[in-house]
Amino acid sequence: EPEVTQTPSHQVTQMGQEVILRCVPISNHLYFYWYRQILGQKVEFLVSFYNNEISEKSEIFDDQFSVERPDGSNFTLKIRSTKLEDSAMYFCATNPGQGSYEQYFGPGTRLTVT
Amino acid sequence: QKEVEQNSGPLSVPEGAIASLNCTYSDRGSQSFFWYRQYSGKSPELIMSIYSNGDKEDGRFTAQLNKASQYVSLLIRDSQPSDSATYLCAVNSFSGNQFYFGTGTSLTVIP
Repeated sequence: EPEVTQTPSHQVTQMGQEVILRCVPISNHLYFYWYRQILGQKVEFLVSFYNNEISEKSEIFDDQFSVERPDGSNFTLKIRSTKLEDSAMYFCATNPGQGSYEQYFGPGTRLTVT
Repeated sequence: QKEVEQNSGPLSVPEGAIASLNCTYSDRGSQSFFWYRQYSGKSPELIMSIYSNGDKEDGRFTAQLNKASQYVSLLIRDSQPSDSATYLCAVNSFSGNQFYFGTGTSLTVIP
């Protein structure tokens, strides 16, 4: 069964550094999302992406965040200058579109900012 | 701010019993509702979706939706120890472009 994949599984970075989290969506899915989950808290929406542009973004998704689909395969989330409070699990999710609203989550990347 | 509320639990049921999980939401424009299971340290795994008022059954799982009361529930019949996890209620925004998640209900099934 097709799955969303994410790399790396764990990323440790120093405060102020840039990180790029990568996701490979399920083939033929049209909508892509990033969510984050701070330890012990709920899953929070960051951004949705369709047809090579952002559809919607939350207040969390400020100027230090960006997304792109550089090669038609990977879907990336870049955090330009990481802060301690960016430490969280970051989940990529995808949706096939065409009348379906179900989102399928990848295994996540644990980001630790020190 | 759109809210999705769940009892955090923990909810404990004996093996073989019915587990009942509840969720309320604030956005009357929401049209799609989902239940996810999340094991500790893992990602959310989709269990069921429900779009229309009433019940939807899939194996041991039954989702119930009442849009007038802004209420969604999940029943797990014949609960198994492997069902022990946190259950997340997710509600689609009116635009359809994002999910709002509840904080989850922790379920423990006691053998």
